[in-house]
Amino acid sequence: AQKITQTQPGMFVQEKEAVTLDCTYDTSDQSYGLFWYKQPSSGEMIFLIYQGSYDEQNATEGRYSLNFQKARKSANLVISASQLGDSAMYFCAMREGASGGSYIPTFGRGTSLIVHP
Amino acid sequence: EAQVTQNPRYLITVTGKKLTVTCSQNMNHEYMSWYRQDPGLGLRQIYYSMNVEVTDKGDVPEGYKVSRKEKRNFPLILESPSPNQTSLYFCASSLSGTSGSETQYFGPGTRLLVL
Repeated sequence: AQKITQTQPGMFVQEKEAVTLDCTYDTSDQSYGLFWYKQPSSGEMIFLIYQGSYDEQNATEGRYSLNFQKARKSANLVISASQLGDSAMYFCAMREGASGGSYIPTFGRGTSLIVHP
Repeated sequence: EAQVTQNPRYLITVTGKKLTVTCSQNMNHEYMSWYRQDPGLGLRQIYYSMNVEVTDKGDVPEGYKVSRKEKRNFPLILESPSPNQTSLYFCASSLSGTSGSETQYFGPGTRLLVL
């Protein structure tokens, strides 16, 4: 079973509108971290936002916010006021405990976002 | 500047010809890892290392080797590459690998084509 599920292979949004990219996760740990990364067409992985499992408030970073619903195990990324430069692949990731005290990241399959004028 | 570097950035090779992709970080991070990215599959972890001389398999280790002789370097070795190892490879590092809050820093990626 996938630990991170991104159900939207592709999304389209009009410039200046908001868009929500879905992410659900599966873990039995109490302590874990959730991350979103952006991968533009140039290929590099850019960290966007982090949410800790114990954080009571949703994380925000500029135009990015993370809609964290712990009971539903969802960590959706909300991009407000989309810009053409937001067109990219977006990956949700989780870092949970593994053997030996390590915390191993797992990634979803990604959502391709296209912002059109 | 804090960074993770990978070399080469692009590589075309033939089946069976051993190759090494280097990875180096200058942030004194304990944790380093390798991923491969394939269309529709996201990033899958190949190997990771919690510290010097400590390495462990990720989800897709078959056909790969790694070594961690120094903290800053974590090379990925393909002893006998095959076409199904054609992929985009990322090296990443984080502070210790012992916390769920650690952000990973990624290298620029290596595009490998095995003919």
